[in-house]
This record gives sequence, structure tokens and C-alpha cells, in this order.
Amino acid sequence: GAGVSQSPSNKVTEKGKDVELRCDPISGHTALYWYRQSLGQGLEFLIYFQGNSAPDKSGLPSDRFSAERTGGSVSTLTIQRTQQEDSAVYLCASSPPAGNSNQPQHFGDGTRLSIL
Amino acid sequence: GESVGLHLPTLSVQEGDNSIINCAYSNSASDYFIWYKQESGKGPQFIIDIRSNMDKRQGQRVTVLLNKTVKHLSLQIAATQPGDSAVYFCAENPLSGNTPLVFGKGTRLSVIA
Repeated sequence: GAGVSQSPSNKVTEKGKDVELRCDPISGHTALYWYRQSLGQGLEFLIYFQGNSAPDKSGLPSDRFSAERTGGSVSTLTIQRTQQEDSAVYLCASSPPAGNSNQPQHFGDGTRLSIL
Repeated sequence: GESVGLHLPTLSVQEGDNSIINCAYSNSASDYFIWYKQESGKGPQFIIDIRSNMDKRQGQRVTVLLNKTVKHLSLQIAATQPGDSAVYFCAENPLSGNTPLVFGKGTRLSVIA
């Protein structure tokens, strides 16, 4: 079946512009996660959704970052007034319903964002 | 998540040999752990997971070992192949249910043909 799909795969924009990144999770996956990966570094948690609700937004770096999820499916991550330090690969993952146990997160290939 | 410098630890292995990649995790309350493989330009790919009620789990050519006493995780790859060359990350889940992962420092595996 289809995996996690992210678009665009690459985005180059000028400092100060707004960008919107899209994630289409695996069908039936109720949890959706956004992470950020800077060059040569590990993954940094940003925000996650259970259905359409975001229980934990603690990883968002500033109020320029926001995310939403509608219909329990597609999510968009928006960065307003982009700065050069926002340049990174933005990764989305999803996982199936877990109950009280844990389920593996499956990742898309990310959006590589470059701020000029 | 943790941040690391630009230079990842690197493990170089001869093709056909076994590889062992180690990881120290941070939270003693974590009860679920995952190993991911990341190739250049791709997202992390799930390899194998293990829950804290186990100390060993085997997959196809891979074995994960968990030592909760010293908070250590290892990934063993048997008969390493050129296609195994990638960056490998361990991740822990400090909370139950579907909650964010905390990723460890990656290790770059280079397979010498």
C-alpha cells in the first residue's frame, strides 16, 4: 500500500516568505507526527496529532510555526516569515491506532526546505 | 530530541562481516524502542522494534538487544551488504501509546566491498 506522502519534496524560498508543507499519512493511521532534521543531525520533534487534536505542541520552535490536521488525515505545517535557521528537512510520520501499547512510526521522505 | 555535530560516528565494515551499532538511551521509563535506517535523501525506514519486556528480538538478518540496566540498545546486522550502508538511528518512546519518539545520535555505517 501507499506510504506516507509529503509535498513538496523540495522548497526554496526567500527569507520572510510563508511556506506550507503537506503530509498525507498512511490510510487508517490515527496518529501523525512532524519532526525536523537539520543537516547531519538527528530528528527533532515538533508536534503530533491524535486524530485532529494536537496533544503536544511543545517542540514548535516559535510562534511562526503552526500545524493543523483536518478529517483525521492530511496535515499541513505552516512556517510564517521564514528565517534562514528554518532551513532543514521536515519529516512527517504516521502510526496506526495503539491503545495503551506503542506502534512503529512510518516516515515519509520529507520536504527539504531552503531559505535564501 | 538530541542534537549532534555535523560529524556522525562512523562504523566501517567489510562486506560479509557482522555489524554492531550501539545506542545509549536516556529515559529509564521508556518501554518501547525502534531502530531506523536512513539513506541519503530518504526518510527513516523502520527496521525492527523491541518492547521493554524483552531483551532480544530477531528479524531478517537483524537482531536488537536491550539492556535496561545500563540503558543500552544495540543493532546487529549479519552478513553486512553494500545496501546496508546508511545512517542508523535508535529511538525511544518515553510515554505509552502513540506519542513522540526521542531519537538518539545516528551512526553512519559504511560497507567496504
